[in-house]
Formats: sequence, structure tokens, C-alpha cells
Amino acid sequence: QSALTQPASVSGSPGQSITISCTGTSSDIGAYNYVSWYQQHPGRAPKLMIYDVSNRPSGVSNRFSGSKSGNTASLTISGLQAEDEADYYCSSYTIIGTPVFGGGTKLTVL
Amino acid sequence: EVQVLESGGGLVQPGGSLRLSCAASGFTFSSYAMSWVRQAPGKGLEWVSGISGSGDITYYTESVKGRFTISRDNSKNTLFLQMNTLRAEDTAIYYCAKELSGGWPFDCWGQGTLVTVSS
Repeated sequence: QSALTQPASVSGSPGQSITISCTGTSSDIGAYNYVSWYQQHPGRAPKLMIYDVSNRPSGVSNRFSGSKSGNTASLTISGLQAEDEADYYCSSYTIIGTPVFGGGTKLTVL
Repeated sequence: EVQVLESGGGLVQPGGSLRLSCAASGFTFSSYAMSWVRQAPGKGLEWVSGISGSGDITYYTESVKGRFTISRDNSKNTLFLQMNTLRAEDTAIYYCAKELSGGWPFDCWGQGTLVTVSS
């Protein structure tokens, strides 16, 4: 199963909104509404930010939102804050019953 | 508090073996599927292996099939990963992760344990 495709980096200024894309295929993102997004700060474990395309776990800010269209999922962060600077990974369930991660996107807050 | 804590990492020679453990607390362990996810130095996340709550169904990424074995002891709330015939490319931080619900979203991660395969 090939990794999902994410941009290597994105950037934005405080207060702005940014969107990170995650492109898969009809065998993963396009087949199920099981897309998750993780935030990882340097030296820390990943943290679940979005699951099932657009659901936020308890405690995650509503500045984070997710969506999906066809084989592409997106994570949008509104009202960008300095603490949002981190690596972000998407993940999807696949037709073989296992998950696959994206390559990761480094978010820089200017 | 829901927690998982990995142990067992270390330095091992190519071709060697290592057994990772993950102690879980704060939730009904047997009710949740669990996985191992690894991250090579400076690289992204890679799902390695998963196991159902009862332990009767296991899953592996292609590159570790036949070399790694995932298991769990629900009486001791512990997850394991037996790693044999280790290769340099297995060098990574190995995270234990709890599945939140179907579709493999992971809502609880450990701090990770470093496995280094080198001569």
C-alpha cells in the first residue's frame, strides 16, 4: 500500500487559515470515510486531531476541521497560532483492512 | 487517565531479535484494537502491525510479514511485538497506539521506544 501524498511544507501567518491536502486513491481515501489527521511536535508523540474525516476528539480546538472530496482529504486550521507549528500526518483505512499514513507536512507559522 | 507505555527498545545487531512491550492503563484493554507505528529518524510515520481486541485477528505491513509477530495478554493489559531477523531499515522509534474506533484512528500514543539495528 503506497503512502498518501501530502505537500512537504505549508506556511501561514498568525490569524490566517491554511489547508493541508492529502491525496490517496479509490482503495483508501476514496473508499471509506475513515480519514484521520495527527499533529506531531518535535520529539513528541503524535496527537489525534481529526478522525472519520471531520470529527474532533474531545479537547481538540474547533480551529481544526477536516473534509474529503473523492480521493483527497483536507485539514484546515483557522486562526493560525504559533503553537500550531508542527508536522501533520493524514491517515486512511484501506481496502486491505490496514491503515496507511501520508508522508507528512511541516507547518511553519511565520 | 488513558495511558500506554512502551519498553524493550535498544541496540541490536542485524539479524537479531527484540521484543517490545506496551503496558496499558485507564481503559478496558480487551475492548480496543491496538497497533504498533514506527518512525525512522527524521522520517514520517509508518504503520507496522495491528491486533484486534480479542487478539484473534492480526495485521502486518508487507515489509515485516514473517519477521514480526504482534500479540497481546488481555489479563495483563499488555501488547507485544516480537521482532526477528532485524534489518538496518527497521531502525526507528516504535510507538504503541490505541484505536479509538473502527477505521484505525489512534487516540492514545505512548512516548515511543527506540530500536537501533546496527553492527
